[in-house]
Order: sequence, then structure tokens, then C-alpha cells
Amino acid sequence: DAGVTQSPTHLIKTRGQQVTLRCSPKSGHDTVSWYQQALGQGPQFIFQYYEEEERQRGNFPDRFSGHQFPNYSSELNVNALLLGDSALYLCASSLAGEGGRYEQYFGPGTRLTVT
Amino acid sequence: GESVGLHLPTLSVQEGDNSIINCAYSNSASDYFIWYKQESGKGPQFIIDIRSNMDKRQGQRVTVLLNKTVKHLSLQIAATQPGDSAVYFCAEFLSGGYNKLIFGAGTRLAVHP
Repeated sequence: DAGVTQSPTHLIKTRGQQVTLRCSPKSGHDTVSWYQQALGQGPQFIFQYYEEEERQRGNFPDRFSGHQFPNYSSELNVNALLLGDSALYLCASSLAGEGGRYEQYFGPGTRLTVT
Repeated sequence: GESVGLHLPTLSVQEGDNSIINCAYSNSASDYFIWYKQESGKGPQFIIDIRSNMDKRQGQRVTVLLNKTVKHLSLQIAATQPGDSAVYFCAEFLSGGYNKLIFGAGTRLAVHP
């Protein structure tokens, strides 16, 4: 899948728990964006990391947080899980620069189920 | 694999026919428009893009048309094949400090032999 890897593939958690999802971007890419995709819907932008900082954020509560490491890999953390957090979480990598950020390559996603 | 779009509108076509998938976008200031294909159990895969100052772009078997007057985007697939069966999403990209993709609702394409 274009070199973007995500782990784990599937995850089952209980309401109130916390979860960490991981993403390694395509080789040579320095920007990571996270999306939430509910069943039957298009991906919704959560946030974007570049130079180890959150650069943009979508309409998601503070329970959603992230991190980017010096090797450009990234983590998505979700605290106090709700049933409505059940979704496919997608990581997309891109290269900063003029026009570069719109060419986003997606990983296979992590399917999170909250029970 | 799991289904990506259980309740999405579906376009059913015969193998070999041409397919046209339509999309309405929301932001007049978007700089790029992109079509993605998502197969069951996979992430979205880039198909083709078009810049906002263009109205048509062609790729291999695919053509994207952009009508900014009515904020409409379409994807034409020539000689549709069974491997084209998937959910198709259009996305708009707003740069200038926003740098995020905004996805449409998606359309399921079902190709019948």
C-alpha cells in the first residue's frame, strides 16, 4: 500500500480505555495526517503532523492527541474511548512543500472496535 | 475483508462499459481535487488529481472533469473492468495553511461480467 504501514491491524477496546495507534510514513515523506473513517462514510481529517508538531486539526475533541517522532513516524492516541470512536483509522503520508501535502498516500488502516 | 461503504449509493455497470461517478464539493477556494479508490479492507488509493485552474485531465483509462461554476467533479472510467469494483471518493484540498483533504461521501462501483 504505497509504503505506509500501520499497526495494529485490528483492535478491540472497552469504553473508557485508552488506545495508541501507530504509523510509519512512506520513505522520503515527512508529513503524517490521521483520518477517522466510520462505516459507510468518507474519511474525516483528525490532525496533521509536520516537524514533530501538530500543524492542523479537524473537528475532533482533545481526547484525540498525537505525536510525531524524529524519524517521521507518528502515533494517534485516543483517551476515554466512546462507542462512537469505533471506526477505521487511516494514516496518510505526504511530502511538505508546494503542492506536496495534497499528494497523500494512505496506509491500510487500523480497525478500532469499542465495546 | 470488511465492507467500506455499506450504505453508499451504488453505480452498477457491465464490464466493458464506461462509468461516470459524480461528486459535488463545497469549498470554492480548494486548490486541488483528487479521486481515490478504496477496496474492501484497504486504505484509499490515489487515482487522479486536477488542479483548480484546469477543467479536464486524462490519465490511463480515467478522465476527471471539473466544473467550478456548479462545484461539480466527475470521474470517467473507460472500459470498466471487474478490478475497478470499489468505493470511489472525491476529495478537495485546501492549501494556504489548511493543508487538509476533505472527502466526499463516496460511491460504490459494482462491475458485472
